[in-house]
Amino acid sequence: DAKTTQPPSMDCAEGRAANLPCNHSTISGNEYVYWYRQIHSQGPQYIIHGLKNNETNEMASLIITEDRKSSTLILPHATLRDTAVYYCIVRVKAAGNKLTFGGGTRVLVKP
Amino acid sequence: GAVVSQHPSWVICKSGTSVKIECRSLDFQATTMFWYRQFPKQSLMLMATSNEGSKATYEQGVEKDKFLINHASLTLSTLTVTSAHPEDSSFYICSADKPGANEKLFFGSGTQLSVL
Repeated sequence: DAKTTQPPSMDCAEGRAANLPCNHSTISGNEYVYWYRQIHSQGPQYIIHGLKNNETNEMASLIITEDRKSSTLILPHATLRDTAVYYCIVRVKAAGNKLTFGGGTRVLVKP
Repeated sequence: GAVVSQHPSWVICKSGTSVKIECRSLDFQATTMFWYRQFPKQSLMLMATSNEGSKATYEQGVEKDKFLINHASLTLSTLTVTSAHPEDSSFYICSADKPGANEKLFFGSGTQLSVL
């Protein structure tokens, strides 16, 4: 039972920023927000994670609301290779804790 | 970065036969690995948690006698689909926890199983 809600699909234009929302209104205080993506017929790829502060790495930025009930993954300059299913997951950050996947957002980057 | 290797990447077998899928952590020791199954256009469904040196923990509804998991070393977990049937055809994916890597799970590339 995933604790997150995401739109099932969205399109974005190549070169533009892609903003992927996620609701996690029942998140617990010790749960982190993780983002993974899955390109067709491959295993999921880690993107980013955070607890309450905004995070940025070479792939994306993660914006978490102050009440932690929602977050947004930002792909700053989407490319065609970013077409994938993006999963937002909440998880206690501890070794051995499983990831439970929800439906994800199917992102199609168009030229 | 960490690498999780999964083998084979695809397999076709006859109904009634057994198929073994291997998951290896190539540059780290993983005390815990996870096995997922994914049907077309669906999300990943966790099947079981594999713990090195002990019995696997299966999710509700997953038959432990049909999906045998062995985690005999810190770098290898295997999933054996016993007496496979066409309804077992699916994409199977493993993942492993790398200690100290912010508890990020690293995933294998998956195994596409087709049972004829």
